[in-house]
Amino acid sequence: GAGVSQSPSNKVTEKGKDVELRCDPISGHTALYWYRQSLGQGLEFLIYFQGNSAPDKSGLPSDRFSAERTGGSVSTLTIQRTQQEDSAVYLCASSFFQGTGELFFGEGSRLTVL
Amino acid sequence: GESVGLHLPTLSVQEGDNSIINCAYSNSASDYFIWYKQESGKGPQFIIDIRSNMDKRQGQRVTVLLNKTVKHLSLQIAATQPGDSAVYFCAENGSGGSNYKLTFGKGTLLTVNP
Repeated sequence: GAGVSQSPSNKVTEKGKDVELRCDPISGHTALYWYRQSLGQGLEFLIYFQGNSAPDKSGLPSDRFSAERTGGSVSTLTIQRTQQEDSAVYLCASSFFQGTGELFFGEGSRLTVL
Repeated sequence: GESVGLHLPTLSVQEGDNSIINCAYSNSASDYFIWYKQESGKGPQFIIDIRSNMDKRQGQRVTVLLNKTVKHLSLQIAATQPGDSAVYFCAENGSGGSNYKLTFGKGTLLTVNP
């Protein structure tokens, strides 16, 4: 596609449920990133993929968070047993390579945990 | 810990005026800095970047200035237009020297009055 696509755009879930957020990066981009943005805050780094491997998972807040990437393309961020503090906008970005800060962001998935 | 921050959380300017958005950073090891623009409901969009071996870089209507002595970064927007209204984030690559694990500031809301 023309840009980074994320789904769902909005997700409302109950505390304790699992959620999956999907990211379709720009075709040909080898690097993929997940960030989290809480209300009125900057972006918080979660995880980075180069191809299908994740050299840096240090930003994942807890072991309830996991992510995978398959075929060097689509990535899924999974949050298990969601908590209210997980409510945020989850942003995915991609780039050709890990060489510049020019990341191309999707519009995000807004997660609300009730 | 070290972090990226902003002097002004909000900035209101008249259309046609020049805008200056400031950012202070405290991580002296950072060698790469980026400005992003985020419009309401959208993902951040790359504006301009600068490496620490430079003190000024110009783009289309935008200029980034870097003062390493006082650890200060600024974004200048010439002839500000209503379409420039957005939240502006500065980001740095931190002590790791990578270009993916960016640390973002909280953002400055720029409002352009017609």
